[in-house]
Amino acid sequence: DVKVTQSSRYLVKRTGEKVFLECVQDMDHENMFWYRQDPGLGLRLIYFSYDVKMKEKGDIPEGYSVSREKKERFSLILESASTNQTSMYLCASSLDRGREKLFFGSGTQLSVL
Amino acid sequence: AQKITQTQPGMFVQEKEAVTLDCTYDTSDQSYGLFWYKQPSSGEMIFLIYQGSYDEQNATEGRYSLNFQKARKSANLVISASQLGDSAMYFCAMRDVNQAGTALIFGKGTTLSVSS
Repeated sequence: DVKVTQSSRYLVKRTGEKVFLECVQDMDHENMFWYRQDPGLGLRLIYFSYDVKMKEKGDIPEGYSVSREKKERFSLILESASTNQTSMYLCASSLDRGREKLFFGSGTQLSVL
Repeated sequence: AQKITQTQPGMFVQEKEAVTLDCTYDTSDQSYGLFWYKQPSSGEMIFLIYQGSYDEQNATEGRYSLNFQKARKSANLVISASQLGDSAMYFCAMRDVNQAGTALIFGKGTTLSVSS
């Protein structure tokens, strides 16, 4: 069974902290994505990667960075967390650039106090 | 720029009724893909159905069908015979299948509530 695993379901951090959100997929997928979900705004793309060490900015990359050192792992980094980064973060992967569907992790609800 | 619009913040139906969730999209590309996802209160995103822009027939998956009207740029989800377990948020999404590295863009979602 395919699986995308996010390291934490709930996370509470303080403003100014450096935060790492980890995502691992076991499907040998090329593409990985980070979205944030906010009420009334739907899902918005932060960053994505279509190969190891490659990354592309999404619609709202400000305040975030990413790392993809291995194919199966895609990390989202908040260099200095702020309260407006309180959100649900969803990681996803897909096989390639074709029409295959996204497989999502269960999400990380991040609260920045 | 590509855009997905879901104009219904919430929909209410009774069990066994059919329901249509609206989705319109905007793209200048000829080749694209359209998706619907379901998100129950547990938070997981569940893939429901896919329609390619060149697919001549409307996609169907069990009780789900996608009413694809290319000229109107609409991709409505139809759920037949609603069940209580269908209560969830539903997202329409689109991907350009030609451009390298392009990800899915999502609409704002529609919350469906099914009552007995």
